[in-house]
Amino acid sequence: GENVEQHPSTLSVQEGDSAVIKCTYSDSASNYFPWYKQELGKGPQLIIDIRSNVGEKKDQRIAVTLNKTAKHFSLHITETQPEDSAVYFCAASIAGANNLFFGTGTRLTVIP
Amino acid sequence: EAQVTQNPRYLITVTGKKLTVTCSQNMNHEYMSWYRQDPGLGLRQIYYSMNVEVTDKGDVPEGYKVSRKEKRNFPLILESPSPNQTSLYFCASSPTDLRYEQYFGPGTRLTVT
Repeated sequence: GENVEQHPSTLSVQEGDSAVIKCTYSDSASNYFPWYKQELGKGPQLIIDIRSNVGEKKDQRIAVTLNKTAKHFSLHITETQPEDSAVYFCAASIAGANNLFFGTGTRLTVIP
Repeated sequence: EAQVTQNPRYLITVTGKKLTVTCSQNMNHEYMSWYRQDPGLGLRQIYYSMNVEVTDKGDVPEGYKVSRKEKRNFPLILESPSPNQTSLYFCASSPTDLRYEQYFGPGTRLTVT
């Protein structure tokens, strides 16, 4: 099956700075890459996703980039705010399958 | 309100005592899935269902059973729980398949002693 690696496991940034979380995947057939945010005591919630026919996608302060050749994708959060503090998970799905493989998570702390 | 509900939210049980965690969604979604979340391992898929009476194994199905008799419900059954099944469990649903956002429930924290 697919293997998704995520780095770093923890990340602390000052409010207003940018945060970058990186993931790699192993199966070149993967074509859907969502990012989920999990706040304390809650279930994960989708914040942005990208498909393999697109190299970059933005939604306000959040952006995701995908490099299919290198098999890695990244989440970029600009102008971080304290409410961005959470655990972030990347994931990958193989074309035609219905399994979603998650990374191990990054705990982001935004320091006011 | 569109949501995925799970019950119970917390459960402490003993080895070998059968238990069921219920999951229900009110969004008429076809796809439903169960995950377990463990420190350092992220979320791992246990089982998923594409529609009523259609279920399939995920990454870590051993020791679990599921059923999908109705579209809205997708219970997770542990027939003989063991301590290594102590975990945080999430149910999720999406409209048809993984091309769409999955909506997660609030989680069930299970402890098996």
